[in-house]
Amino acid sequence: KQEVTQIPAALSVPEGENLVLNCSFTDSAIYNLQWFRQDPGKGLTSLLLIQSSQREQTSGRLNASLDKSSGRSTLYIAASQPGDSATYLCAVNDYGNNRLAFGKGNQVVVIP
Amino acid sequence: KAGVTQTPRYLIKTRGQQVTLSCSPISGHRSVSWYQQTPGQGLQFLFEYFSETQRNKGNFPGRFSGRQFSNSRSEMNVSTLELGDSALYLCASSLSSGQSYNEQFFGPGTRLTVL
Repeated sequence: KQEVTQIPAALSVPEGENLVLNCSFTDSAIYNLQWFRQDPGKGLTSLLLIQSSQREQTSGRLNASLDKSSGRSTLYIAASQPGDSATYLCAVNDYGNNRLAFGKGNQVVVIP
Repeated sequence: KAGVTQTPRYLIKTRGQQVTLSCSPISGHRSVSWYQQTPGQGLQFLFEYFSETQRNKGNFPGRFSGRQFSNSRSEMNVSTLELGDSALYLCASSLSSGQSYNEQFFGPGTRLTVL
């Protein structure tokens, strides 16, 4: 069974600092990995999708890397802003089924 | 292009009742998945439907069921509600078909409270 871990559960950074969020998974036989953002009481917003054959994906200030062999992904958010305050969730999609296994998330607060 | 929509957004029920939640996927998406989110367990996969067939199922009791219609809209039903069923229920749609699994897009969720 795929297990996804995100540590730390919560973190605070001053505005302008770069954010580094880590995700680890136990089974490297993944099809893809997706990073989401969730604001309190809301649904999930897809940020980046990385296919298993890719090493990284970029969108604006966001960059996600994937090291499938070591079971790790990292989400970088450059020059953080107060609007980046949210919970960030990592989810992996295993080969053989279309079901996402989620980590518990990193709750991020960017301090003005 | 409209996103994933879910109705109703909020529901309050009492123990023992049953509830039906609805999800309309993004136009053209044939895969619809359902997830339960609670503070303690996080996000857990319930089931996935593709072309009106349940393709995957998570580890939830038989009280949780679903279906998908020919227009890809999906409903989820929970019978004999328990207090522990209180959660945010999220629906996701994707273009996934066959062995190709694409990006999943989530709706705003239905907040179910069981009293």
